[in-house]
Amino acid sequence: GQQVMQIPQYQHVQEGEDFTTYCNSSTTLSNIQWYKQRPGGHPVFLIQLVKSGEVKKQKRLTFQFGEAKKNSSLHITATQTTDVGTYFCAAGSARQLTFGSGTQLTVLP
Amino acid sequence: SAVISQKPSRDICQRGTSLTIQCQVDSQVTMMFWYRQQPGQSLTLIATANQGSEATYESGFVIDKFPISRPNLTFSTLTVSNMSPEDSSIYLCSVEDRGDGRREQYFGPGTRLTVT
Repeated sequence: GQQVMQIPQYQHVQEGEDFTTYCNSSTTLSNIQWYKQRPGGHPVFLIQLVKSGEVKKQKRLTFQFGEAKKNSSLHITATQTTDVGTYFCAAGSARQLTFGSGTQLTVLP
Repeated sequence: SAVISQKPSRDICQRGTSLTIQCQVDSQVTMMFWYRQQPGQSLTLIATANQGSEATYESGFVIDKFPISRPNLTFSTLTVSNMSPEDSSIYLCSVEDRGDGRREQYFGPGTRLTVT
């Protein structure tokens, strides 16, 4: 299956600061999805990106899919304590999803 | 979206024994997935379970160790057989919604397994 590298592994930010996590692949991706997992919880679907150069926004979250469809990013503006959790990207193939290693976000009040 | 329940939510088992995890979905779905997530790690796909056919296992996972049943479109079980401490993990089932060009996976709450 496809492999995706995700960085950083950990990020600590002060509340109100911005946060970005990056997902990279050596191969062209047909689509990419983002999930959020709160501490002690299960992954929750956030969004799917399909088109080259696609940008989608959900309130303070901005998702981008690279022009070459080999990378993606999730940017959170003005983080809040409710943003705490691990953010995973996942590359979709016909058969399955391959999850990145995740970025664990800590927001300090 | 789908609502998924799993039983048990957690268990502590002795090595050498087996545990069967149940996954129930509130709607009929074609594809169900079983993942393993070790603490602080990403999700690793164990197998895909389609109703009416044999489960498809990923590299590193075998049917003898992780037998799966899929008797109908709303239910599946995963058995962790002959457990060892290395099997201690969270096991998650999920379903995928592929309608209207979407691909969204919905996860159950997970089963936290500790093997002593």
